[in-house]
Amino acid sequence: GAVVSQHPSRVICKSGTSVKIECRSLDFQATTMFWYRQFPKQSLMLMATSNEGSKATYEQGVEKDKFLINHASLTLSTLTVTSAHPEDSSFYICSAPHWENSYNEQFFGPGTRLTVL
Amino acid sequence: AQSVAQPEDQVNVAEGNPLTVKCTYSVSGNPYLFWYVQYPNRGLQFLLKYITGDNLVKGSYGFEAEFNKSQTSFHLKKPSALVSDSALYFCAVRALSGNTPLVFGKGTRLSVIA
Repeated sequence: GAVVSQHPSRVICKSGTSVKIECRSLDFQATTMFWYRQFPKQSLMLMATSNEGSKATYEQGVEKDKFLINHASLTLSTLTVTSAHPEDSSFYICSAPHWENSYNEQFFGPGTRLTVL
Repeated sequence: AQSVAQPEDQVNVAEGNPLTVKCTYSVSGNPYLFWYVQYPNRGLQFLLKYITGDNLVKGSYGFEAEFNKSQTSFHLKKPSALVSDSALYFCAVRALSGNTPLVFGKGTRLSVIA
């Protein structure tokens, strides 16, 4: 199957700083990527849909000015958490759809654990 | 709109016994159903999926799931549980057509006791 990578896998930062998380499709092109957030012992919640060459679509309740998404190429989407605060500490996971065996499947990255001190 | 319900927060089972983790779904059109497992501080691991065809789907690590259209369910099963199966299990759904994201259930924590 297709491979999606994320970098970094783990990041610790001070409150008020910005953190960039990269999501890459390694062996396929992705015009769309999805960003999810998972708080401890909770489910994955969709944050936004990243669209190559256009603005991201954010889910209700997600601040677009705080979670900046840039999908600058067909293999890379970035999520920047601006002015991070401890409540932003979470596990961030991206996914990208890709056609496999005639079906449009989603492939997930390994996730990025963000800890804001 | 799509939704997934996992009615149990926690399932406890003795090692060697069969296990079932429940999932029901709601989706417009034909469903595309998944089960994922997540170990502590790790990403999602794909277990199995249902697209079409046989209602009984076999997946990784001896897991299987049965698609029941009339009951809109997709319960995860394993004939004989292992302690190493202890983890967090997520059911997810999306519509078969289009480029929509997966919608996840809240997760069920499986604890297999030796």
